[in-house]
Amino acid sequence: GENVEQHPSTLSVQEGDSAVIKCTYSDSASNYFPWYKQELGKGPQLIIDIRSNVGEKKDQRIAVTLNKTAKHFSLHITETQPEDSAVYFCAASSPSGTYKYIFGTGTRLKVLA
Amino acid sequence: NAGVTQTPKFQVLKTGQSMTLQCAQDMNHNSMYWYRQDPGMGLRLIYYSASEGTTDKGEVPNGYNVSRLNKREFSLRLESAAPSQTSVYFCASPNDRREAKNIQYFGAGTRLSVL
Repeated sequence: GENVEQHPSTLSVQEGDSAVIKCTYSDSASNYFPWYKQELGKGPQLIIDIRSNVGEKKDQRIAVTLNKTAKHFSLHITETQPEDSAVYFCAASSPSGTYKYIFGTGTRLKVLA
Repeated sequence: NAGVTQTPKFQVLKTGQSMTLQCAQDMNHNSMYWYRQDPGMGLRLIYYSASEGTTDKGEVPNGYNVSRLNKREFSLRLESAAPSQTSVYFCASPNDRREAKNIQYFGAGTRLSVL
């Protein structure tokens, strides 16, 4: 069945360093790839997304890249800050067309001051 | 603008008890979703409702029922709670407008423990 693998499960970086989280999806029909940030005690919030007709998208310190051929997409956070500490989820759209998504298993990012 | 509101935030049940998790959205979206979140397993879809009056099963529907009461409200019911249903439950609603398609808005979650 459809699957999204996310790595690593935990990631610790020093403040100011970069963080990279990678996801692989299985269904070549997936065409939309959002990233969500979940802070402690809260629901996930969309931070950036990318569609399959684009290879890269950037929003200030956050960027997402997509390699459709390899079915990989990645989240890049530069100049990390303590407030970036959270759990990050990737997701891939399900091709059924009813806005369903397959989520990755999450990455707990810790930014060490 | 509250977005997606879930109640309760926390609940402890005994095995076999029943309860209903409530969700309401004030964004006038057509679709609403229920997910469960378990350690190491990400978010898994339980049920969804594409529009008022319709509901469909997701990945893990067993042990749950849902009701789309009206456009705003989508409830999740556990008829006979089991320890395997200990989880954090999230309600979500995607923005249906064409230019903003697919962006999901999540509630703050309900943390449920079944003893």
